[in-house]
Amino acid sequence: NAGVTQTPKFQVLKTGQSMTLQCAQDMNHNSMYWYRQDPGMGLRLIYYSASEGTTDKGEVPNGYNVSRLNKREFSLRLESAAPSQTSVYFCASSEALRGDAYNEQFFGPGTRLTVL
Amino acid sequence: AQSVTQLGSHVSVSEGALVLLRCNYSSSVPPYLFWYVQYPNQGLQLLLKYTTGATLVKGINGFEAEFKKSETSFHLTKPSAHMSDAAEYFCAVSPFYNTDKLIFGTGTRLQVFP
Repeated sequence: NAGVTQTPKFQVLKTGQSMTLQCAQDMNHNSMYWYRQDPGMGLRLIYYSASEGTTDKGEVPNGYNVSRLNKREFSLRLESAAPSQTSVYFCASSEALRGDAYNEQFFGPGTRLTVL
Repeated sequence: AQSVTQLGSHVSVSEGALVLLRCNYSSSVPPYLFWYVQYPNQGLQLLLKYTTGATLVKGINGFEAEFKKSETSFHLTKPSAHMSDAAEYFCAVSPFYNTDKLIFGTGTRLQVFP
């Protein structure tokens, strides 16, 4: 099993450009998540999908959109990139269903994004 | 709202010394608790987890953590540090009231000196 995979690993954008970060998991997990990691701030949740066909905002959703394409794939889109979106982005997945009292998450290797 | 506090953004120890990384959570109801490790330029990897039952939890690479309800703490320890333990460590909680999410602490970077 590959677990959680993310593409690309690195990306440099100019302000105003758009791009989509891809995430896929092969563990048949129900829930998927997008986080950003910035120095001294830990991981902050951008969006999540508790099941196929549903998405919800996290702590820092502004400037992002997501699509849960199917059970395996969850993409994150930056429509008009800004320097404040320079960060490392992690995708994660969990077997947990909404209402489950336990949520162990498995993480991908991350995408390092720089917006100039 | 649930929160997680990790005391000390940086901890330095000598090789062979005790490692102690602190984590406190705020909740009137004990949540599920996790420690994750992030090695340089990698994703997060689960070290150990507390759900129910035994309050002393053993994880990978010789790490363990003890859940103390009275202190709302879940500190991570390792008796003898190794150079390969140098990484960033994150404490996280999965609160009962909202199991859609994990709430992460801000992380502690562990340095190990020879």
